[in-house]
Amino acid sequence: GAVVSQHPSRVICKSGTSVKIECRSLDFQATTMFWYRQFPKQSLMLMATSNEGSKATYEQGVEKDKFLINHASLTLSTLTVTSAHPEDSSFYICSAPPSNRVNTEAFFGQGTRLTVV
Amino acid sequence: AQSVTQLDSQVPVFEEAPVELRCNYSSSVSVYLFWYVQYPNQGLQLLLKYLSGSTLVKGINGFEAEFNKSQTSFHLRKPSVHISDTAEYFCAVRTNSGYSTLTFGKGTMLLVSP
Repeated sequence: GAVVSQHPSRVICKSGTSVKIECRSLDFQATTMFWYRQFPKQSLMLMATSNEGSKATYEQGVEKDKFLINHASLTLSTLTVTSAHPEDSSFYICSAPPSNRVNTEAFFGQGTRLTVV
Repeated sequence: AQSVTQLDSQVPVFEEAPVELRCNYSSSVSVYLFWYVQYPNQGLQLLLKYLSGSTLVKGINGFEAEFNKSQTSFHLRKPSVHISDTAEYFCAVRTNSGYSTLTFGKGTMLLVSP
């Protein structure tokens, strides 16, 4: 089946540093990828939609200058949390629907647990 | 816009007992419906989905769900749960056009005890 690989699975960084999270579709092409954020014991909230070759679309309230998204190829999207602060600590999950399979559900990465100290 | 309501934040149940996790949705357009399971510190795994056709959908791990359009519900059921079913369960919807994103409910924690 289709696989989405997200890396790293866990990262601890110091406040003020930047962290990059990668999301790869391993055996399919994904024109679009979605980035979600999940706080403890809460649901997933969409942060942004990543589009290959164009700018990402951010949800209301998400700072695009803080959460930089790059979708440079049909199999890779990256989320960079810039100047991270403790309040950015969260679980980040990406998902991708295969471009050539309409009506197929998106596949999810394993998630990244970010802890900012 | 769509919204999803999962009425129970936590459902405790004994092993081998049946369980139902409730999900109601709201949408002005036709939607597809999904149930996902999330184990601690992991991503989401699809349990089952309803796109069209038979309203009773069978998924993995013995789960099934029934789509009820008149009640705008998509409740998840399992006739006999195992300890290993302990996890967070999310109901989600998306519009049936293009690659729209999923809208998730808040999740229901299923706690199975011996």
